Amino acid sequence: AQTVTQSQPEMSVQEAETVTLSCTYDTSESDYYLFWYKQPPSRQMILVIRQEAYKQQNATENRFSVNFQKAAKSFSLKISDSQLGDAAMYFCAYAGGTSYGKLTFGQGTILTVHP
Amino acid sequence: GAGVSQSPSNKVTEKGKDVELRCDPISGHTALYWYRQSLGQGLEFLIYFQGNSAPDKSGLPSDRFSAERTGGSVSTLTIQRTQQEDSAVYLCASSLQPSGNTIYFGEGSWLTVV
Repeated sequence: AQTVTQSQPEMSVQEAETVTLSCTYDTSESDYYLFWYKQPPSRQMILVIRQEAYKQQNATENRFSVNFQKAAKSFSLKISDSQLGDAAMYFCAYAGGTSYGKLTFGQGTILTVHP
Repeated sequence: GAGVSQSPSNKVTEKGKDVELRCDPISGHTALYWYRQSLGQGLEFLIYFQGNSAPDKSGLPSDRFSAERTGGSVSTLTIQRTQQEDSAVYLCASSLQPSGNTIYFGEGSWLTVV
Protein backbone atom coordinates (compact mmCIF):
# COMPACT_ATOMS: atom_id res chain seq x y z
CA ALA A 1 0.00 0.00 0.00
CA GLN A 2 1.10 3.51 -0.65
CA THR A 3 1.86 5.81 2.25
CA VAL A 4 2.50 9.53 2.43
CA THR A 5 4.32 11.11 5.35
CA GLN A 6 4.49 14.76 6.33
CA SER A 7 6.85 15.03 9.26
CA GLN A 8 6.15 18.68 10.09
CA PRO A 9 2.82 19.11 11.91
CA GLU A 10 3.33 22.88 12.02
CA MET A 11 5.52 25.42 10.27
CA SER A 12 5.72 29.18 10.44
CA VAL A 13 7.23 31.83 8.18
CA GLN A 14 7.56 35.58 8.08
CA GLU A 15 5.71 37.40 5.35
CA ALA A 16 7.86 37.72 2.19
CA GLU A 17 10.19 34.93 3.33
CA THR A 18 10.55 31.43 1.90
CA VAL A 19 9.39 28.22 3.53
CA THR A 20 9.73 24.57 2.55
CA LEU A 21 7.24 21.87 3.51
CA SER A 22 8.46 18.27 3.49
CA CYS A 23 6.77 15.16 2.17
CA THR A 24 7.97 11.62 1.64
CA TYR A 25 6.07 8.73 0.15
CA ASP A 26 6.38 5.03 -0.36
CA THR A 27 5.21 3.15 -3.44
CA SER A 28 6.13 0.25 -5.66
CA GLU A 29 4.41 1.77 -8.68
CA SER A 30 6.42 3.39 -11.44
CA ASP A 31 3.65 5.59 -12.80
CA TYR A 32 2.04 8.01 -10.37
CA TYR A 33 1.20 11.61 -9.57
CA LEU A 34 2.01 13.77 -6.60
CA PHE A 35 0.09 16.80 -5.41
CA TRP A 36 0.12 19.56 -2.88
CA TYR A 37 -3.29 20.75 -1.71
CA LYS A 38 -4.06 23.77 0.43
CA GLN A 39 -6.99 23.74 2.87
CA PRO A 40 -7.91 27.13 4.34
CA PRO A 41 -10.47 27.45 7.16
CA SER A 42 -13.25 27.33 4.57
CA ARG A 43 -12.42 23.57 4.33
CA GLN A 44 -12.25 23.56 0.54
CA MET A 45 -9.22 21.68 -0.74
CA ILE A 46 -7.44 23.73 -3.40
CA LEU A 47 -4.84 22.23 -5.70
CA VAL A 48 -1.56 24.12 -5.39
CA ILE A 49 0.70 22.12 -7.66
CA ARG A 50 1.06 18.67 -9.18
CA GLN A 51 3.91 16.57 -10.48
CA GLU A 52 3.85 13.62 -12.85
CA ALA A 53 6.41 11.05 -11.77
CA TYR A 54 7.70 10.49 -15.31
CA LYS A 55 8.67 14.15 -15.62
CA GLN A 56 12.13 14.93 -14.33
CA GLN A 57 11.56 18.67 -14.36
CA ASN A 58 10.23 20.07 -11.11
CA ALA A 59 6.79 21.65 -11.36
CA THR A 60 6.41 25.38 -10.73
CA GLU A 61 3.32 27.53 -10.28
CA ASN A 62 4.15 31.18 -9.67
CA ARG A 63 5.50 31.39 -6.09
CA PHE A 64 5.10 27.65 -5.53
CA SER A 65 7.64 25.09 -6.65
CA VAL A 66 8.49 21.52 -5.77
CA ASN A 67 11.69 19.58 -5.30
CA PHE A 68 10.87 16.12 -6.61
CA GLN A 69 13.49 13.50 -5.80
CA LYS A 70 12.11 10.28 -7.29
CA ALA A 71 14.85 7.98 -6.09
CA ALA A 72 14.55 9.30 -2.56
CA LYS A 73 10.73 9.37 -2.82
CA SER A 74 10.70 12.93 -1.60
CA PHE A 75 8.37 15.72 -2.74
CA SER A 76 8.83 19.03 -0.92
CA LEU A 77 6.94 22.26 -1.53
CA LYS A 78 8.71 25.61 -1.54
CA ILE A 79 6.67 28.76 -1.08
CA SER A 80 8.57 31.91 -2.02
CA ASP A 81 7.64 35.46 -1.01
CA SER A 82 5.11 34.11 1.50
CA GLN A 83 1.86 36.02 1.82
CA LEU A 84 -0.70 36.16 4.62
CA GLY A 85 -3.15 34.37 2.35
CA ASP A 86 -0.84 31.36 2.20
CA ALA A 87 -1.72 30.49 5.79
CA ALA A 88 -3.57 27.17 5.71
CA MET A 89 -3.22 23.44 6.17
CA TYR A 90 -1.14 21.90 3.40
CA PHE A 91 -1.55 18.29 2.36
CA CYS A 92 0.76 16.22 0.24
CA ALA A 93 -1.07 13.56 -1.76
CA TYR A 94 -0.28 10.58 -4.00
CA ALA A 95 -2.26 8.92 -6.76
CA GLY A 96 -1.20 5.82 -8.62
CA GLY A 97 -1.20 5.86 -12.41
CA THR A 98 -4.14 3.49 -12.63
CA SER A 99 -6.16 5.15 -9.87
CA TYR A 100 -5.64 8.82 -10.40
CA GLY A 101 -8.62 9.88 -8.34
CA LYS A 102 -7.86 7.71 -5.33
CA LEU A 103 -5.66 10.08 -3.45
CA THR A 104 -3.61 9.00 -0.46
CA PHE A 105 -2.99 12.00 1.77
CA GLY A 106 -0.32 12.86 4.28
CA GLN A 107 -1.22 14.05 7.76
CA GLY A 108 -0.98 17.71 6.82
CA THR A 109 1.18 20.66 7.85
CA ILE A 110 -0.33 23.78 9.37
CA LEU A 111 1.42 26.84 7.93
CA THR A 112 1.30 30.11 9.85
CA VAL A 113 2.43 33.31 8.15
CA HIS A 114 3.53 36.14 10.44
CA PRO A 115 3.18 39.75 9.27
CA GLY B 1 -22.35 24.70 -11.69
CA ALA B 2 -19.30 26.80 -11.08
CA GLY B 3 -17.90 24.44 -8.47
CA VAL B 4 -18.61 21.26 -6.56
CA SER B 5 -21.62 21.89 -4.36
CA GLN B 6 -22.32 19.92 -1.19
CA SER B 7 -25.26 19.92 1.18
CA PRO B 8 -25.89 20.19 4.00
CA SER B 9 -22.92 22.25 5.06
CA ASN B 10 -23.37 21.14 8.64
CA LYS B 11 -25.46 18.35 10.09
CA VAL B 12 -25.99 17.29 13.69
CA THR B 13 -27.70 13.98 14.14
CA GLU B 14 -28.47 11.58 16.95
CA LYS B 15 -26.65 8.30 17.21
CA GLY B 16 -28.55 5.59 15.40
CA LYS B 17 -30.22 7.88 12.86
CA ASP B 18 -29.60 7.69 9.12
CA VAL B 19 -28.12 10.66 7.23
CA GLU B 20 -27.82 11.56 3.58
CA LEU B 21 -25.16 13.88 2.22
CA ARG B 22 -25.50 15.31 -1.26
CA CYS B 23 -22.89 16.24 -3.84
CA ASP B 24 -23.49 18.11 -7.08
CA PRO B 25 -20.30 17.90 -9.19
CA ILE B 26 -19.07 20.37 -11.74
CA SER B 27 -21.13 20.11 -14.90
CA GLY B 28 -19.57 17.72 -17.39
CA HIS B 29 -17.29 16.00 -14.91
CA THR B 30 -17.55 12.25 -15.31
CA ALA B 31 -15.54 11.25 -12.26
CA LEU B 32 -16.83 11.80 -8.72
CA TYR B 33 -15.14 10.98 -5.42
CA TRP B 34 -16.05 10.95 -1.75
CA TYR B 35 -13.47 11.43 0.98
CA ARG B 36 -13.73 11.64 4.75
CA GLN B 37 -11.66 13.96 6.92
CA SER B 38 -11.59 13.19 10.62
CA LEU B 39 -9.32 14.10 13.51
CA GLY B 40 -8.20 10.59 14.18
CA GLN B 41 -7.85 9.25 10.64
CA GLY B 42 -6.91 12.26 8.54
CA LEU B 43 -8.18 12.25 4.96
CA GLU B 44 -9.46 8.92 3.67
CA PHE B 45 -10.75 7.85 0.28
CA LEU B 46 -14.26 6.38 0.47
CA ILE B 47 -15.71 5.73 -2.98
CA TYR B 48 -15.21 6.69 -6.62
CA PHE B 49 -17.64 6.84 -9.54
CA GLN B 50 -16.55 6.99 -13.17
CA GLY B 51 -19.24 7.35 -15.81
CA ASN B 52 -21.41 4.25 -16.03
CA SER B 53 -18.79 1.91 -14.64
CA ALA B 54 -19.28 0.07 -11.36
CA PRO B 55 -18.08 2.31 -8.52
CA ASP B 56 -14.88 1.61 -6.62
CA LYS B 57 -16.15 1.11 -3.07
CA SER B 58 -12.88 -0.06 -1.63
CA GLY B 59 -12.64 2.77 0.89
CA LEU B 60 -16.06 2.46 2.52
CA PRO B 61 -15.42 1.68 6.21
CA SER B 62 -18.47 -0.51 6.84
CA ASP B 63 -21.70 -1.72 5.27
CA ARG B 64 -23.49 1.16 7.00
CA PHE B 65 -22.00 3.39 4.31
CA SER B 66 -23.35 3.46 0.78
CA ALA B 67 -23.38 5.87 -2.10
CA GLU B 68 -25.12 6.24 -5.40
CA ARG B 69 -24.85 8.50 -8.36
CA THR B 70 -27.96 9.13 -10.37
CA GLY B 71 -27.84 10.03 -14.03
CA GLY B 72 -24.10 10.36 -13.94
CA SER B 73 -24.37 13.61 -12.02
CA VAL B 74 -25.58 14.13 -8.45
CA SER B 75 -24.34 11.73 -5.80
CA THR B 76 -25.72 10.87 -2.38
CA LEU B 77 -23.66 9.35 0.43
CA THR B 78 -25.83 7.57 2.97
CA ILE B 79 -24.74 6.57 6.45
CA GLN B 80 -27.13 4.26 8.25
CA ARG B 81 -27.38 3.88 12.02
CA THR B 82 -24.81 6.60 12.60
CA GLN B 83 -22.17 6.16 15.27
CA GLN B 84 -20.12 8.81 17.06
CA GLU B 85 -17.01 7.73 15.17
CA ASP B 86 -18.77 8.76 11.94
CA SER B 87 -18.38 12.41 13.00
CA ALA B 88 -16.18 13.99 10.34
CA VAL B 89 -16.13 16.28 7.34
CA TYR B 90 -17.26 14.46 4.21
CA LEU B 91 -15.64 15.92 1.12
CA CYS B 92 -16.85 15.38 -2.41
CA ALA B 93 -14.70 15.99 -5.47
CA SER B 94 -15.04 15.70 -9.22
CA SER B 95 -12.86 15.72 -12.32
CA LEU B 96 -13.37 15.67 -16.08
CA GLN B 97 -12.04 12.15 -16.24
CA PRO B 98 -10.05 10.07 -13.81
CA SER B 99 -6.67 10.25 -15.43
CA GLY B 100 -4.57 13.33 -15.80
CA ASN B 101 -7.12 15.94 -14.80
CA THR B 102 -7.32 18.24 -11.83
CA ILE B 103 -9.66 17.08 -9.07
CA TYR B 104 -11.87 19.84 -7.67
CA PHE B 105 -13.20 19.58 -4.13
CA GLY B 106 -16.35 20.93 -2.54
CA GLU B 107 -16.39 22.61 0.86
CA GLY B 108 -17.56 19.48 2.58
CA SER B 109 -20.42 18.45 4.85
CA TRP B 110 -19.55 18.58 8.54
CA LEU B 111 -21.33 15.72 10.29
CA THR B 112 -21.60 15.58 14.06
CA VAL B 113 -23.16 12.52 15.69
CA VAL B 114 -24.28 13.11 19.26
